[in-house]
Amino acid sequence: EIVLTQSPGTLSLSPGERATLSCRASQSVSSSYLVWYQQKPGQAPRLLIYGSSSRATGIPDRFSGSGSGTDFTLTISRLETEDFAVYYCQQYGSSQTFGGGTKVEIK
Amino acid sequence: QVHLVQSGAEVKKPGASVKVSCKTSGYTFGGYYMHWVRQAPGQGLEWMGSIYPNNGVTKYAQKFQGRVAMTRDTSISTAYMELRGLKSDDTAVYFCARWAQVGPTIKVFAFDVWGQGTMVTVSS
Repeated sequence: EIVLTQSPGTLSLSPGERATLSCRASQSVSSSYLVWYQQKPGQAPRLLIYGSSSRATGIPDRFSGSGSGTDFTLTISRLETEDFAVYYCQQYGSSQTFGGGTKVEIK
Repeated sequence: QVHLVQSGAEVKKPGASVKVSCKTSGYTFGGYYMHWVRQAPGQGLEWMGSIYPNNGVTKYAQKFQGRVAMTRDTSISTAYMELRGLKSDDTAVYFCARWAQVGPTIKVFAFDVWGQGTMVTVSS
């Protein structure tokens, strides 16, 4: 099973700041098979980024994804109030697994 | 517009079974894999398995093999997830999620639509 490790566990930032979230895989994952979701309290996850770097429909361009192999990154260029949430990476190159999540909280 | 609407919250005793439904609308039910993902309180997402409604073929995470059954009723465009032998650590929100090709030109996939979640509480 491919294990995805997200870091940091919690990121405390202010609106307008840049957020950089990491997702590290225990073995290489094709960049096509790496996805990012956003989840707010009491809600289902929402698709953000697919294929490691492509934004889903309706996702603002302050969200970007990058990476390859075992290291992937989600960047939020300038945090808006609505961006404070938990973010999960997911891989489906070998079965399906999710990372443990990174909580982005207001500092 | 695509919708996945799940059944309501359940409270079960240890050892019992629970069956959660996911009624779909707005798309061709048979042509998309339906997956189930759960989330224990305050925890992350855990993939449980999937079903292809066209032929009923299932694939389960090893952790749930022998204890989970995913079925469907194509006449009412509804998927089901039954979990048997419930334990306290099965207490979680259970989501259904549609697996769809999301890339316009290349075959990349993701969970593009999710149900609202069903809270299952296991307690004596």
